[in-house]
Amino acid sequence: GNSVTQMEGPVTLSEEAFLTINCTYTATGYPSLFWYVQYPGEGLQLLLKATKADDKGSNKGFEATYRKETTSFHLEKGSVQVSDSAVYFCALTKNYGQNFVFGPGTRLSVLP
Amino acid sequence: EAQVTQNPRYLITVTGKKLTVTCSQNMNHEYMSWYRQDPGLGLRQIYYSMNVEVTDKGDVPEGYKVSRKEKRNFPLILESPSPNQTSLYFCASRTSGPDTQYFGPGTRLTVL
Repeated sequence: GNSVTQMEGPVTLSEEAFLTINCTYTATGYPSLFWYVQYPGEGLQLLLKATKADDKGSNKGFEATYRKETTSFHLEKGSVQVSDSAVYFCALTKNYGQNFVFGPGTRLSVLP
Repeated sequence: EAQVTQNPRYLITVTGKKLTVTCSQNMNHEYMSWYRQDPGLGLRQIYYSMNVEVTDKGDVPEGYKVSRKEKRNFPLILESPSPNQTSLYFCASRTSGPDTQYFGPGTRLTVL
């Protein structure tokens, strides 16, 4: 079946450090890939998405590229801020989104 | 404002006492889903609905029921809650297609 694996963390960085959160997936065909972010006490919000191979999703300084050859969708940001502290979820969907599959989430803490 | 609302936000109950968690969206979305979030497991889909009167099981449906009598509402029903259903629950909605999901703020349920 479809699955998503991501580094579980927690990840602790200093402000302005470079961030990478790895995400790899297992799925047949061509899933759509997403990164969602969950701030403390809130629901999940879409951060970025990519729907086909080599697409790059970007938002708020975060980027991720859909790599079919390595089945990966790693999240990166060049300079993190304290306000980026949150839990980040990698996810995929196929079959017109009838079933979203989420990774376990990666908790990021950014220290001033 | 486009939103998904859930009630209650927090609930403590006892084993076997039937409960309902309500979910409502104001975006006229066809698709709605329920997820539970547990540490280390990420989000797992409980049930989803593709439209009024159309529902199907997700990955972890045991012990839950849903109904979709109106497009905007998708309540989650626990007929006889058990302690292993203690979790954080999220409702989500989206349009058809592999598109962005909009999440509610979550309901933290404790079953004693």
